[in-house]
Amino acid sequence: NAGVTQTPKFRILKIGQSMTLQCTQDMNHNYMYWYRQDPGMGLKLIYYSVGAGITDKGEVPNGYNVSRSTTEDFPLRLELAAPSQTSVYFCASSPLGNSNYGYTFGSGTRLTVV
Amino acid sequence: KQEVTQIPAALSVPEGENLVLNCSFTDSAIYNLQWFRQDPGKGLTSLLLIQSSQREQTSGRLNASLDKSSGRSTLYIAASQPGDSATYLCAVIGGGADGLTFGKGTHLIIQP
Repeated sequence: NAGVTQTPKFRILKIGQSMTLQCTQDMNHNYMYWYRQDPGMGLKLIYYSVGAGITDKGEVPNGYNVSRSTTEDFPLRLELAAPSQTSVYFCASSPLGNSNYGYTFGSGTRLTVV
Repeated sequence: KQEVTQIPAALSVPEGENLVLNCSFTDSAIYNLQWFRQDPGKGLTSLLLIQSSQREQTSGRLNASLDKSSGRSTLYIAASQPGDSATYLCAVIGGGADGLTFGKGTHLIIQP
């Protein structure tokens, strides 16, 4: 059981470039999340999804877009990358938003924008 | 807006000591609270999940308590080992669909 898988693990982008961070889970979880973690800070929510075809903004959505066409996949799109988007990005999933089973996280994507 | 605070921000203790990490939250209307461990450059590993109806959970040398009315949780680590060195994150789960609210973490170093 792979859990939550994120690709790539590392990426360097130039300012203005675009990229998609991939996230897939094999636990049939309805809820999926994208967080970013900056040094010395807690994780902040970017976007979340409660099921295929349904997405909503989190605390820090500017500069990002998401889609959820299947239960398994929840890609995060960066358009016109900026240095402020240098961060570590984590994808997570849960059976329910307030699940008694908690949340499962991927291993992260470390992104540097230069 | 829910805010989560973790104290201390960093802690260094000799091997073998028992220690307590603290987490406080401003809105007591939470469903669950989850403690995670994060090793340098790695993802988050779930340690313990406490449901709002519970007061504590135990796993091996770890014990987490929850006092919703006072907005506090503690993570107790018994007989600490160098392998316990990591950042420990506390996160609360509210009633909505918008996931976890995290503290900034406690960076723990266990000296051999």
